[in-house]
Amino acid sequence: DAGVTQSPTHLIKTRGQQVTLRCSPISGHKSVSWYQQVLGQGPQFIFQYYEKEERGRGNFPDRFSARQFPNYSSELNVNALLLGDSALYLCASSRTAENGGELFFGEGSRLTVL
Amino acid sequence: AQSVTQLGSHVSVSEGALVLLRCNYSSSVPPYLFWYVQYPNQGLQLLLKYTSAATLVKGINGFEAEFKKSETSFHLTKPSAHMSDAAEYFCAVTKTSYDKVIFGPGTSLSVIP
Repeated sequence: DAGVTQSPTHLIKTRGQQVTLRCSPISGHKSVSWYQQVLGQGPQFIFQYYEKEERGRGNFPDRFSARQFPNYSSELNVNALLLGDSALYLCASSRTAENGGELFFGEGSRLTVL
Repeated sequence: AQSVTQLGSHVSVSEGALVLLRCNYSSSVPPYLFWYVQYPNQGLQLLLKYTSAATLVKGINGFEAEFKKSETSFHLTKPSAHMSDAAEYFCAVTKTSYDKVIFGPGTSLSVIP
């Protein structure tokens, strides 16, 4: 079975632009979480979605938004990009919202903001 | 709020030597605890998890971790390091099975031939 897939794998944007990152969870997984990993740091929680509903939100500004579709795939949108948004964005899926912390990660989308 | 600290941002060991990566958590109640590994240019992979069933937890690739409530610690060990163990290791915590997972800053493990 395919793992968590994310697209694009790499992208470069300039300050002020907008970006959309996409994630397809493992088949049968209904929960998707998004994390931001700045170089040299641990992943920081951004959002969790389950059954198309937002279940949790981290300490990120309103420029960050996400949604989950009926097929459980998800998009993360970031508006008005700042240099500090440069990071690896990781998507993780789990079978239910009660995941017990057992997350399955994709390889990430590496965003560079110039 | 839940938090995790990892002592030592970088650890080097010789091939065949003991691996010890340290993790301490802050929590008023026993949490769920995890170790994840990240190989270069890859996502994170679960090594092992503690969910109060047993204090000594065995994971994949020969790793294990011991939960010590009195020390609020969950250190990761492996008796004999292999070159393939070189990676970034993250300790993580969640308060309940429904909560978000909080990751520590990570420890980079180098294995010297």
